[in-house]
Amino acid sequence: EVQLVESGGGLVQPGGSLRLSCAASGFTFSRHWMSWVRQAPGKGLEWVAYIRHGGSQADYVDSVKGRFTISRDDARNSLYLQMNSLTVEDTAVYYCARDVIGGTDGGQMDHWGQGTLVTVSS
Amino acid sequence: DIQLTQSPSTLSASVGDRVTITCRASQSIRSWLAWYQQKPGKAPKLLIYKASSLESGVPSRFSGSGSGTEFTLTISSLQPDDFATYYCQQYNSYRSFGQGTRVEIK
Repeated sequence: EVQLVESGGGLVQPGGSLRLSCAASGFTFSRHWMSWVRQAPGKGLEWVAYIRHGGSQADYVDSVKGRFTISRDDARNSLYLQMNSLTVEDTAVYYCARDVIGGTDGGQMDHWGQGTLVTVSS
Repeated sequence: DIQLTQSPSTLSASVGDRVTITCRASQSIRSWLAWYQQKPGKAPKLLIYKASSLESGVPSRFSGSGSGTEFTLTISSLQPDDFATYYCQQYNSYRSFGQGTRVEIK
């Protein structure tokens, strides 16, 4: 069974930093691209970033470029999101999601974690 | 960046109704579109990928169609479990989501 479990959320002051983790199991993690998606309270879904299999390339939504860094540790089956210079607009539930298998067509996210809440407030 | 616009934003319907949600892309995304269902407090669930392919385990009353810039999600006969918010997502260029369509009880 595919499982994705996020951790690391919490309350942080504006300008602060936080590192989210996502522990994956039940599939060959190293073969898949992985994404972070967030949802502000009462709002819609926003794709934040993805990282390709092998960690060779990552891309970000414009609003987090230069502040967030996505990374992965295939030996630990883990995905990370380092978030710096946080603002109140970054307050959201952050989901990790399994993306496409590397080398194939696609980009749908077929498995999601339960999410971790990040609150940016003074 | 590719923008996705869903319509309507809210839809009121009754059990048994046929429901259609539209997603329009700001430029052609070929068939690289997925649909998700989300219930309050839960993670999204994949329903449809590549515009019209049904994800394993999803009831056949859900169907998707379209290509290029216009897409639809249809629920042939709305069931009580289907009252939720639905999102389209493109993966032609990076990733992005529509703003969502809430399906509520009439």
